Amino acid sequence: QLQLQESGPGLVKPSETLSLTCTVSGGSISSSSYYWGWIRQPPGKGLEWIGSIYYSGSTYYNPSLKSRVTISVDTSKNQFSLKLSSVTAADTAVYYCARLTPRDAFDIWGQGTMVTVSS
Amino acid sequence: QSVLTQPPSVSGAPGQRVTISCTGSSSNIGAGYDVHWYQQLPGTAPKLLIYGNSNRPSGVPDRFSGSKSGTSASLAITGLQAEDEADYYCQSYDSSLEVFGGGTKLTVL
Repeated sequence: QLQLQESGPGLVKPSETLSLTCTVSGGSISSSSYYWGWIRQPPGKGLEWIGSIYYSGSTYYNPSLKSRVTISVDTSKNQFSLKLSSVTAADTAVYYCARLTPRDAFDIWGQGTMVTVSS
Repeated sequence: QSVLTQPPSVSGAPGQRVTISCTGSSSNIGAGYDVHWYQQLPGTAPKLLIYGNSNRPSGVPDRFSGSKSGTSASLAITGLQAEDEADYYCQSYDSSLEVFGGGTKLTVL
């Protein structure tokens, strides 16, 4: 069955760029109708949607993060990626990647990866 | 402050029924967009529990049900079990972005 796995550094310095990759296995990221998204969860807090991308490269972002976020897709590797620039301690969170259905439900999630912003 | 409002916590005894509300506005739930619900057990990723307001993915017990009316939605859990103790989140769509509720912690007494 379809699985998603996040990967990337667990520690990022303030003002630097956080970079994460989500690898999709058991299915194609180029499947029509599905978007792919990033969601984060600060320690002890709720879920925050970061942005989503279609296999064609079409994206939409959370306006609160839009100036710092770039999401891209590599269909040859069956991966999509997140870059968040100028990070601060407030960006410390568990970052999840997930599949977004045509009805806007996140039906399959990765296990999540903890990213800490600290010098 | 979340776009969708949920109570911070609810509780119930085993076997009881509990409901969790999710209040939105005319730009999200009230605009006709679907509401989805997720269950997050401690230390794990969220799991889709209800999609499209009232549909259960395969494998989700029928003790879980969802409904929507106007600018609000509700998740109901009947026959409460200890394993239901978790955080629950609602999610919808609003003005070109995905929005989550602040989450509700369910405690099984």
